[in-house]
Amino acid sequence: EPEVTQTPSHQVTQMGQEVILRCVPISNHLYFYWYRQILGQKVEFLVSFYNNEISEKSEIFDDQFSVERPDGSNFTLKIRSTKLEDSAMYFCASSDGGYNQPQHFGDGTRLSIL
Amino acid sequence: DQQVKQNSPSLSVQEGRISILNCDYTNSMFDYFLWYKKYPAEGPTFLISISSIKDKNEDGRFTVFLNKSAKHLSLHIVPSQPGDSAVYFCAARHGSGNTGKLIFGQGTTLQVKP
Repeated sequence: EPEVTQTPSHQVTQMGQEVILRCVPISNHLYFYWYRQILGQKVEFLVSFYNNEISEKSEIFDDQFSVERPDGSNFTLKIRSTKLEDSAMYFCASSDGGYNQPQHFGDGTRLSIL
Repeated sequence: DQQVKQNSPSLSVQEGRISILNCDYTNSMFDYFLWYKKYPAEGPTFLISISSIKDKNEDGRFTVFLNKSAKHLSLHIVPSQPGDSAVYFCAARHGSGNTGKLIFGQGTTLQVKP
């Protein structure tokens, strides 16, 4: 069964550094999402992306964050000047946008900011 | 953000019995609801969903019930199996069309005892 893949599974970075989290969505999907889950908290929406544009973003997704689809298969989340509070599990998801079709999630990247 | 709530952090049932997981929501504009299952070190896996125009959806051992007047949905698993032990997230779709963001509950940890 097709799946969303994310790399790396764990990223450790010094505070203030930039990180890029990578995702390969399901191949025929057109809608892409990033969510995050801080330890002990809910899974929360960050951003959605379609047709090379951001469709919607949350209050969390400020100028520190950016997303890109650099080629036909990858979808990336860049976090500039990381802060301690950016430590979380980051999940990528995709959907085909069909009527009441679910979003499918990857296994996540655990981001640890030191 | 308390728009989707799962008030039971954990549930323990005996193998073969019914598991009932509950979820409440506050936003009457939600039009699509989903249940995801999550194992440790994996991403949320889509389980079953229901449109707001229905009150029941069944898929094998899994049935989701929606009570719109009460803004309540539940997931029934029968019979429960040890492999069902996981964290279960309720999610609601927010926004227009089929591609809106998902709002998650806090999750309920289900333990099915052999």
